[in-house]
Amino acid sequence: KAGVTQTPRYLIKTRGQQVTLSCSPISGHRSVSWYQQTPGQGLQFLFEYFSETQRNKGNFPGRFSGRQFSNSRSEMNVSTLELGDSALYLCASSLEDYDDNEQFFGPGTRLTVL
Amino acid sequence: GENVEQHPSTLSVQEGDSAVIKCTYSDSASNYFPWYKQELGKRPQLIIDIRSNVGEKKDQRIAVTLNKTAKHFSLHITETQPEDSAVYFCAASTGYSTLTFGKGTMLLVSP
Repeated sequence: KAGVTQTPRYLIKTRGQQVTLSCSPISGHRSVSWYQQTPGQGLQFLFEYFSETQRNKGNFPGRFSGRQFSNSRSEMNVSTLELGDSALYLCASSLEDYDDNEQFFGPGTRLTVL
Repeated sequence: GENVEQHPSTLSVQEGDSAVIKCTYSDSASNYFPWYKQELGKRPQLIIDIRSNVGEKKDQRIAVTLNKTAKHFSLHITETQPEDSAVYFCAASTGYSTLTFGKGTMLLVSP
C-alpha cells in the first residue's frame, strides 16, 4: 500500500503571497489531519477533515484554511504569508476505526517565506 | 483545550542503558496516547501507543505506561542502541484524528 504523499516537498515564497499544499492519504483512509512543525513550537495541529467536512480546527488564524475532496485528498492554503509561517507542514491520514486511529504521516512540505 | 507537557527536552545515555521520557496531559477525556519517533529529516513514525483502558503495553525493547489518575504516561526504552537516537514525541487525543503533541525529547545514544 502506498504511503501518504505530499506535494510539493519544498516551496519558497515571499511575504504576502499565498500557497497551496497538497496531501494524498493512504488508500481507504478518510481522515486527513494537518500539522505545522517548527523548532520553537514543535508539532501543532491545524485542522482535520473527514469525508470532506472539517471536524476539528486548531488555534491558527483564518489565513490558514483547508479542504478535502471526495477522493479524500486534501489541500491546505495559507494566504498573505508571513515570515513566521516558515515551517514543515505535515499531513497525516488515518483509517478512523474505533480500534485503529493510528495516524500515518507524509514526508511534509518545507515552506520557506522570505 | 488539551495541553501536553514532555520531559526532558534532551536525554543523553550510553548504549545499553535505559531511557525514560515522561509526559503529562491536562484533559481527563483524552483516551489515546501514541508515541512517535522522528529521525532527522524524516517523517514522524508511530512506535507504540496505548489506550486509556490499559495501564501498560510492551513491544520488545519499548514499553509505555499510563497513569490515568495522575494524567501522566511514560515511554521506556531498554538496552538502547545508537539507532534509537532521534526525537521522540508523545501525544494525546480525545478522539477523532486530532493529536496534541508534547514538545519532543531529543534522545542521544552514545556508543
